[in-house]
Amino acid sequence: EVQLVESGGGLVQPGGSLRLSCAASGFTFSNYWMSWVRQAPGKGLEWVANIKLDGSETDYVDSVKGRFTISRDNAKNSLYLQMSSLRAEDTAVYFCARGGYSFADWGQGILVTVSS
Amino acid sequence: EIVLTQSPGTLSLSPGERATLSCRASQSVSSSYLSWYQQKPGQTPRRLIYGASSRGTGIPDRFSGSGSGTDFTLTISRLEPEDFAVYYCQQSGSSPLTFGGGTKVEIK
Repeated sequence: EVQLVESGGGLVQPGGSLRLSCAASGFTFSNYWMSWVRQAPGKGLEWVANIKLDGSETDYVDSVKGRFTISRDNAKNSLYLQMSSLRAEDTAVYFCARGGYSFADWGQGILVTVSS
Repeated sequence: EIVLTQSPGTLSLSPGERATLSCRASQSVSSSYLSWYQQKPGQTPRRLIYGASSRGTGIPDRFSGSGSGTDFTLTISRLEPEDFAVYYCQQSGSSPLTFGGGTKVEIK
């Protein structure tokens, strides 16, 4: 059974930083592109970033370029999202998802709140 | 950026009825790169359809996807009580990947 478990969320002040992690199990992590998708409270889904199997390629939505960095550690079956210069509009539930282009499996999500 | 417009915003139907959800793209999207998701309140999204018409693992056959170019459709042949939810289309033909705004299917 595929499992994706996010951690590292919480309350952070505007301008601050946070690192999200996603622990993957139940599939061969190194064989899949991975992604982060977010959902602001009461809003729709927004793709944030994706990363290739070996981490050699990444892509981001424009609103986070230069502020967020997606990475992975295949030895630890883990996906990461380093977020810096956080803004109020980054407040959302962040989902880890299996797949780089279509998202077959999703984690339960982790809430990130950017507020003073 | 490809903008996906879903209609209607809300669909009010009774169990057993047929639901037809529309997703229109601002530019042509290859069928290979159009997916549909279901999200129930407080739950994680679940992929129903990928490649415009292929059902995901374990998805009942009452869910079907069709379309090409700029017009795509998700059809639920007979609504079950557990199908009342929000549905999103998503394209991955070009970056940035984008989602539609969603269609809420509610009980009439």
